[in-house]
Amino acid sequence: SQQGEEDPQALSIQEGENATMNCSYKTSINNLQWYRQNSGRGLVHLILIRSNEREKHSGRLRVTLDTSKKSSSLLITASRAADTASYFCATDAWGNNRLAFGKGNQVVVIP
Amino acid sequence: DAGITQSPRHKVTETGTPVTLRCHQTENHRYMYWYRQDPGHGLRLIHYSYGVKDTDKGEVSDGYSVSRSKTEDFLLTLESATSSQTSVYFCAISEEPGTGLQPQHFGDGTRLSIL
Repeated sequence: SQQGEEDPQALSIQEGENATMNCSYKTSINNLQWYRQNSGRGLVHLILIRSNEREKHSGRLRVTLDTSKKSSSLLITASRAADTASYFCATDAWGNNRLAFGKGNQVVVIP
Repeated sequence: DAGITQSPRHKVTETGTPVTLRCHQTENHRYMYWYRQDPGHGLRLIHYSYGVKDTDKGEVSDGYSVSRSKTEDFLLTLESATSSQTSVYFCAISEEPGTGLQPQHFGDGTRLSIL
C-alpha cells in the first residue's frame, strides 16, 4: 500500500483564514516532505521535516510530525489566493531518495 | 526554477506504438526520477537513476524502460503503449542524498494520451 497518504480532501477557505491538512504514513521514516502543485505545473518543494523534529516553520508554513502516530500536518496561515493549489506529502519509503507520495489535498482560497 | 525541461509537453498516440519521453536538466544533478500522476493515485515512481547508466525500478515499472547515457538526459520509453498508460508524466531531479533526504525538483510534465 502507498506510503504518505493524506486524508484526501478538498478544502475551500476565505483569504486570510488558516488552512490545515493532514498526512499519515505506514512505516518508519527518516524524513517527510511537503510539496505544492499549481494547476498544470510540476510539484514544488515546500518544506522537509526530519524524524527527530516535531515542528518546523517556513514563512507562513508550519509543519508538525508525530512519529508515534505516523502522521504530519501542514498549516498555512493567513492564506492568500495564490495558495490555491494541491498539496502533497511524501516520505522516503524505499531509501535512496525515492519518495512515496500521498494522494494530495486540494486547497481553494477564495479572494 | 530548476533547469528541467520535459519534451514533448503533450502527445497523443495510438495503442501499440512506441513512445519516448525526454527529460533534460541543466543542474548537473546525479539523481533523476520518472513519475506518473493519475487521479486518485497521486504520484507514483516509475523508474529512477542514480548516475549515468545506473537505473532501477520504482513502484510501477511494468511496461516502461529508461535510459541514461549522459548526466543531463533521462529517457522514458513505453515500448508498446497501452491505454492504461494514459497519464501525466513528471520528471524530477535531486542532488545526491548523502546522509539525509534531498528535495526533488520537478519539470512541468508531459500529458500523454493513448487512444
